[in-house]
Amino acid sequence: DQQVKQNSPSLSVQEGRISILNCDYTNSMFDYFLWYKKYPAEGPTFLISISSIKDKNEDGRFTVFLNKSAKHLSLHIVPSQPGDSAVYFCAASTAYSGAGSYQLTFGKGTKLSVIP
Amino acid sequence: DAGITQSPRHKVTETGTPVTLRCHQTENHRYMYWYRQDPGHGLRLIHYSYGVKDTDKGEVSDGYSVSRSKTEDFLLTLESATSSQTSVYFCAIRQGTNTEAFFGQGTRLTVV
Repeated sequence: DQQVKQNSPSLSVQEGRISILNCDYTNSMFDYFLWYKKYPAEGPTFLISISSIKDKNEDGRFTVFLNKSAKHLSLHIVPSQPGDSAVYFCAASTAYSGAGSYQLTFGKGTKLSVIP
Repeated sequence: DAGITQSPRHKVTETGTPVTLRCHQTENHRYMYWYRQDPGHGLRLIHYSYGVKDTDKGEVSDGYSVSRSKTEDFLLTLESATSSQTSVYFCAIRQGTNTEAFFGQGTRLTVV
């Protein structure tokens, strides 16, 4: 049972336009969400995160939006650049101290291609 | 760069042999994780640790065991490697449950 879902395996965007990557989750105990970027042959690198007490967090060209009622979050990249071409992973965790706590669960990723 | 090192970086082993991968951190972070990455599956959690000698299973723990005898080291062992365990393995460390995790460079394991 996949708790974090990224339903779009790939996305192509023109340079300078907005990239929107989506993520859905099923576990209502998740209270912290993260986005990672991964280039081939490298480890994932942290991009941006958001706590469940917020609905938006911004860091430069990257903005994450959280809709708790819909159990949905999205990553906006504006403007998109060719160097943003990578696989993007959504992740979620919980501070709930029960069975399965402390896990950091990832989606399957979305491959973003930014076309010059 | 976060102080996290995985070893070895590449390994080829034969089916049925035991294999141990090491994750070493210099950050004194409490949480450590082992993931495997496979095409079409993203990053799947194998095992994780929330303290010395405190470990728990993740989504794909069958065929794997872990140990954490000290804060800085988290070992992943394949008791008897199978071809289905050919993958790229990533270790991650994390200070708290509301902080980011830092990943190692990965270990590419091939079981022939």
